[in-house]
Amino acid sequence: EVQLLESGGDLVQPGGSLRLSCAASGLTFSSTAMSWVRQAPGKGPEWVSGISGSGDNTHYADSVKGRFTISRDNSKNTLYLQMNGLRVEDTAIYYCAKDKFSLATFDSWGQGTLVTVSS
Amino acid sequence: DFVLTQSPDSLAVSLGERATINCRSSQSVFYRSNKKNYLAWYQQKPGQPPKLLFYWASTRESGVPDRFSASGSATDFTLTISSLQAEDVAVYYCQQYYDTPRLTFGGGTKVEIK
Repeated sequence: EVQLLESGGDLVQPGGSLRLSCAASGLTFSSTAMSWVRQAPGKGPEWVSGISGSGDNTHYADSVKGRFTISRDNSKNTLYLQMNGLRVEDTAIYYCAKDKFSLATFDSWGQGTLVTVSS
Repeated sequence: DFVLTQSPDSLAVSLGERATINCRSSQSVFYRSNKKNYLAWYQQKPGQPPKLLFYWASTRESGVPDRFSASGSATDFTLTISSLQAEDVAVYYCQQYYDTPRLTFGGGTKVEIK
């Protein structure tokens, strides 16, 4: 059974930084594309960023391009999201999600970690 | 940008009755080369992450009850719950992956018990 466990969410001031982590188990991590998907309170999900299994290919939503960086450590089965220049509108639950096909649909999700950006 | 518009925003259905949710895309998500529609459906219960129900518009994910069905092509899609159960109370989202990596979700449809 695939398990994804996010951590690192916190309350941060606008302009601040956070690093989210997602520990994965129950899958061949290095062969699996992964994504971060966020959901603001009362809103629908929003895809944020994705990365190939090898880590060679990364993609970002326009809303976070240049501010967020996705990465992975396949030796630790862990996915990361470095978030810089945080804005109030980045407030959301951030989910780690396993791509069913690369950058397409998501067949396993973690329980999420809450990021609140507020002064 | 691919905009997905779901309707209705919410609906209340009696137990055992049919629930129908619509999703309209601003552009076709049908790929002629492989004849596939690049659309998925998710279910999200309160306090939980979304759960994948269907992909390729109508391919049921493993473990999804067969009272759930999905259909449609190009720009118009439907998710149907043939006989609503109490555990089906949730928000349902469509999502396109035609315009990958610019993946987008619909605004959601909340299903409640009447």
